[in-house]
Amino acid sequence: DTEVTQTPKHLVMGMTNKKSLKCEQHMGHRAMYWYKQKAKKPPELMFVYSYEKLSINESVPSRFSPECPNSSLLNLHLHALQPEDSALYLCASSHEDREGRKLFFGSGTQLSVL
Amino acid sequence: DAKTTQPTSMDCAEGRAANLPCNHSTISGNEYVYWYRQIHSQGPQYIIHGLKNNETNEMASLIITEDRKSSTLILPHATLRDTAVYYCIAFNYGQNFVFGPGTRLSVLP
Repeated sequence: DTEVTQTPKHLVMGMTNKKSLKCEQHMGHRAMYWYKQKAKKPPELMFVYSYEKLSINESVPSRFSPECPNSSLLNLHLHALQPEDSALYLCASSHEDREGRKLFFGSGTQLSVL
Repeated sequence: DAKTTQPTSMDCAEGRAANLPCNHSTISGNEYVYWYRQIHSQGPQYIIHGLKNNETNEMASLIITEDRKSSTLILPHATLRDTAVYYCIAFNYGQNFVFGPGTRLSVLP
């Protein structure tokens, strides 16, 4: 299994809603990532989890709250978002060996905030 | 992180080789060159990476100049399905995986 699975694929939410994005991988990878991608822009790193602990937070607003319940799962909890938070949210996991580090990405959740 | 620069866009005829250049003149000795691509509305897909030797896999070839200041990704027989944004990334352990603007490759019939 070489997949990173993200659910839901599409999400529409109001500014007062609370929702969660989910990401799952069964490749035994111990690092997992959240990226945000606006239209026609490259992905931007938000968070990195290493061995289920948050290791990098790229100054992301607190209305985004990541969670890593176990080594296979990564969640992104959303609360009181703004319309400018509408974007494609990508999850990735990574594998390292003597040949380097490879990130494997899911297909993303397309989020619209109304 | 080393900064990479790529052309904004390129066209390639279907069936021909697509050669995508990347400049990374400030790359350090222990930074790898990675290539990813992103087809519309999908997640980025790993293509290939290398340190200083040329590399080839089932998807592409990576040619790195001897001084490591630039590289070229070669798709030997481009198909319409290769139309995507291609990202060149210079990366080392301990750094974040940072994407630049990339090159938008259009494969034309």
